[in-house]
Amino acid sequence: DVKVTQSSRYLVKRTGEKVFLECVQDMDHENMFWYRQDPGLGLRLIYFSYDVKMKEKGDIPEGYSVSREKKERFSLILESASTNQTSMYLCASSLEGRINQPQHFGDGTRLSIL
Amino acid sequence: AQRVTQPEKLLSVFKGAPVELKCNYSYSGSPELFWYVQYSRQRLQLLLRHISRESIKGFTADLNKGETSFHLKKPFAQEEDSAMYYCALKNFYNQGGKLIFGQGTELSVKP
Repeated sequence: DVKVTQSSRYLVKRTGEKVFLECVQDMDHENMFWYRQDPGLGLRLIYFSYDVKMKEKGDIPEGYSVSREKKERFSLILESASTNQTSMYLCASSLEGRINQPQHFGDGTRLSIL
Repeated sequence: AQRVTQPEKLLSVFKGAPVELKCNYSYSGSPELFWYVQYSRQRLQLLLRHISRESIKGFTADLNKGETSFHLKKPFAQEEDSAMYYCALKNFYNQGGKLIFGQGTELSVKP
């Protein structure tokens, strides 16, 4: 069974802080993703990575960066946290393949920026 | 532009009633479509995918390319079906497996 682990379930930080959200998967998946989940807006893709050291912007990358130094780990970084980044953050991974590969999600990190 | 629309934020039905969660997509190529579900306090998980033509927990979804829809249906809703449901689209040729999600529909099944 695929396991996607996010380092924190709940996190409270202050405006202006640099925040790191960590995600690890144990199934040797090539693809990894960071989303934020907000009521009424669904899931919005922040960044994704299809290989080590590779990254692509998603729909809402502003204010975020990512790091993928190892295949199993994908980090989301809030360079200078702001209150509008208070949200639920979901990490996901998937196997690269042409057909029908689903994404597997972590439990999420509920981040509050005060 | 690729887009997924779920027109209902909230759908409330009684136990035993039929349920249909609507999903429409905008994409000119060959899409892959998925339904994901998130039960209370659980992680988001795959419910079903169009290519498998499967029934999971009594739910089915048929891809209608003419109407660009992928509605999720169940003939008799159960209380345990109460959850948040997301429809998602993947570009067949998209490297990286990127999905586009709809806004989500909250299904509430009342006893």
